[in-house]
Amino acid sequence: AQTVTQSQPEMSVQEAETVTLSCTYDTSESDYYLFWYKQPPSRQMILVIRQEAYKQQNATENRFSVNFQKAAKSFSLKISDSQLGDAAMYFCAYRSSRSYNTDKLIFGTGTRLQVFP
Amino acid sequence: GAVVSQHPSWVICKSGTSVKIECRSLDFQATTMFWYRQFPKKSLMLMATSNEGSKATYEQGVEKDKFLINHASLTLSTLTVTSAHPEDSSFYICSARVAGRGIYNEQFFGPGTRLTVL
Repeated sequence: AQTVTQSQPEMSVQEAETVTLSCTYDTSESDYYLFWYKQPPSRQMILVIRQEAYKQQNATENRFSVNFQKAAKSFSLKISDSQLGDAAMYFCAYRSSRSYNTDKLIFGTGTRLQVFP
Repeated sequence: GAVVSQHPSWVICKSGTSVKIECRSLDFQATTMFWYRQFPKKSLMLMATSNEGSKATYEQGVEKDKFLINHASLTLSTLTVTSAHPEDSSFYICSARVAGRGIYNEQFFGPGTRLTVL
């Protein structure tokens, strides 16, 4: 079974600085998808960024980028120029690409990010 | 686009009663909806996968007779917590999959429902 691990329960960053959130996962599959979700105090889950395992190029969405290391099964999220609105819980998630289990998301335990002015 | 709503956003009920939570996809058809449970400061745990017109698939350890799921249309799924007890108090989140929207089959999440059982 696949597992997702986030080893940092809490992180903090100064506004305008850069912070990296860690995520590792375990799988025997070669093709899958990885996601980072943001859950602000409103509890609404918001997709931040996604990565297909077969793509070597790291995904980027504005201030958010990932460092995807497939061999190491690592998928870290870098937030550049941090803003107060980035404060939230961040969840790393895994999804198999196999048809029998295509849609199931497996979440990590989350990292709470605090942003200080 | 791809908005998912949940109703109610917060419900308080007495122990032993049943509570129904609705999940609606507002601007798309969702062939698959998912129900998650989230304890305070914890991750999301998938409870069940709901496909329109068929029985839900429950995750191991989730009592299907206690958490009844109905997915009667492409825009509505309901979760009924039967004979609720204080240990059922939690935050329940649904998500809906946008069928046919590319390889990602991305899930869009509702805002969640906080259930408190007294």
